[in-house]
Amino acid sequence: GNSVTQMEGPVTLSEEAFLTINCTYTATGYPSLFWYVQYPGEGLQLLLKATKADDKGSNKGFEATYRKETTSFHLEKGSVQVSDSAVYFCALSGGSGGSNYKLTFGKGTLLTVNP
Amino acid sequence: DAGITQSPRYKITETGRQVTLMCHQTWSHSYMFWYRQDLGHGLRLIYYSAAADITDKGEVPDGYVVSRSKTENFPLTLESATRSQTSVYFCASKGQGSREKLFFGSGTQLSVL
Repeated sequence: GNSVTQMEGPVTLSEEAFLTINCTYTATGYPSLFWYVQYPGEGLQLLLKATKADDKGSNKGFEATYRKETTSFHLEKGSVQVSDSAVYFCALSGGSGGSNYKLTFGKGTLLTVNP
Repeated sequence: DAGITQSPRYKITETGRQVTLMCHQTWSHSYMFWYRQDLGHGLRLIYYSAAADITDKGEVPDGYVVSRSKTENFPLTLESATRSQTSVYFCASKGQGSREKLFFGSGTQLSVL
């Protein structure tokens, strides 16, 4: 079945540092890939997504590129802010072994940005 | 713009008691989901529903019961709570048209003593 592996945290950065959170997946076919963000005390919300190979999702300065050859969807941001402190989840849906309406999540990566 | 709401926000109960967590959405979304979030496990799917009166098991359904008599409500019941069910529970929904974007509630933090 489908699975998602993302780098374990916690990740601690200083403001304006460069961020990378690695995410790799296991799935057959062509799944859709997502990054969700969870701010303290809140539910998850969609940050960005990509639905086919070589697509780049972007939002709020974050980017991730769907790399089928390496089965990866790494999240990046050039200059993080304190307000980016949150838990980030990589997720996928679809592909040959999964459904289009159920998501498989990674375990989450806690990011803390210090001023 | 109520969206999706969960209640209660926090709940403390004792082992063996029955507990029901409520989830209500105002969008008439077809799909609804219950996840639990635990350190080291991320989010795991408990149950989901494709429409009223249609429910199915997810990854970790044991010890839980769901129903969906109305499209907007999807309660989750722990029939006899155990300490291993201490967790944060999230309800989510999505519509037919936006197949892949989930909207999450704010969660219910449940402690079983």
